[in-house]
Amino acid sequence: RKEVEQDPGPFNVPEGATVAFNCTYSNSASQSFFWYRQDCRKEPKLLMSVYSSGNEDGRFTAQLNRASQYISLLIRDSKLSDSATYLCVDAFYSSASKIIFGSGTRLSIRP
Amino acid sequence: GAGVSQSPRYKVAKRGQDVALRCDPISGHVSLFWYQQALGQGPEFLTYFQNEAQLDKSGLPSDRFFAERPEGSVSTLKIQRTQQEDSAVYLCASSSYGEATRNTIYFGEGSWLTVV
Repeated sequence: RKEVEQDPGPFNVPEGATVAFNCTYSNSASQSFFWYRQDCRKEPKLLMSVYSSGNEDGRFTAQLNRASQYISLLIRDSKLSDSATYLCVDAFYSSASKIIFGSGTRLSIRP
Repeated sequence: GAGVSQSPRYKVAKRGQDVALRCDPISGHVSLFWYQQALGQGPEFLTYFQNEAQLDKSGLPSDRFFAERPEGSVSTLKIQRTQQEDSAVYLCASSSYGEATRNTIYFGEGSWLTVV
C-alpha cells in the first residue's frame, strides 16, 4: 500500500459547484499534513496546511480525520482558475524530515 | 533571488551520459529536498539534507544517483550513465527550519530531464 493515496480523478465539475476529495495516509504517527496545488508544467505550491481542528481559507476547507487516517479538501463555489492538480502531503518528523506526496487529484472546472 | 532556483531548466541527455542538476535554495534555508516527478505522478522523494548533512537518501533509485550539498547551501544532484527511465522533472525544495515537516517547503521550477 502506498504511504499516501489519492483518487487521481479527473474530477470535471461546472463552475460554481462544490467539490471534495480525500486522501488517505498509512502512517498513524504522521503529524503534519498539507494540500499543495500544481498547475500544468509548474512546480507545486502550498495551498493550505491541515490542522487537527480543521481549517478554512476562503472557499477552501481542509479537514483531518485521524481515526480513519484521511484528510479532505473541499472547494466551494469553484472557479475556472481552480483547475489544477491537488497534491496531498504527509509530513512526519523523526530523525529526519520526510515529506511524502500523493499522486495528485486532477480537477477540471468547466464554464 | 527570492525563490528556489534550479538549473538547467531543460536538459536532453543521450543514454549513458552523466548529468548534473543544480539547486540554489532560498538563502538561509536549512532543509533541502530533491524529488523526482514523472508525467502524471506526484513528486517522489529522493533525498533530504539538513545543512550539509544528507540525513535521508532512501529515495534514490539506484547507485547511479548521487546528491551533495557540501557547504550547506547549493546542492547538486548527479545522475550517472543516464537511462530512459530517468526522464522526469527533478524538483528541488527548501524549508527554513530543520523540522521541515512543520514549515512550508518551497519548490523550484524544476529541471526537466529527457534521456534519448
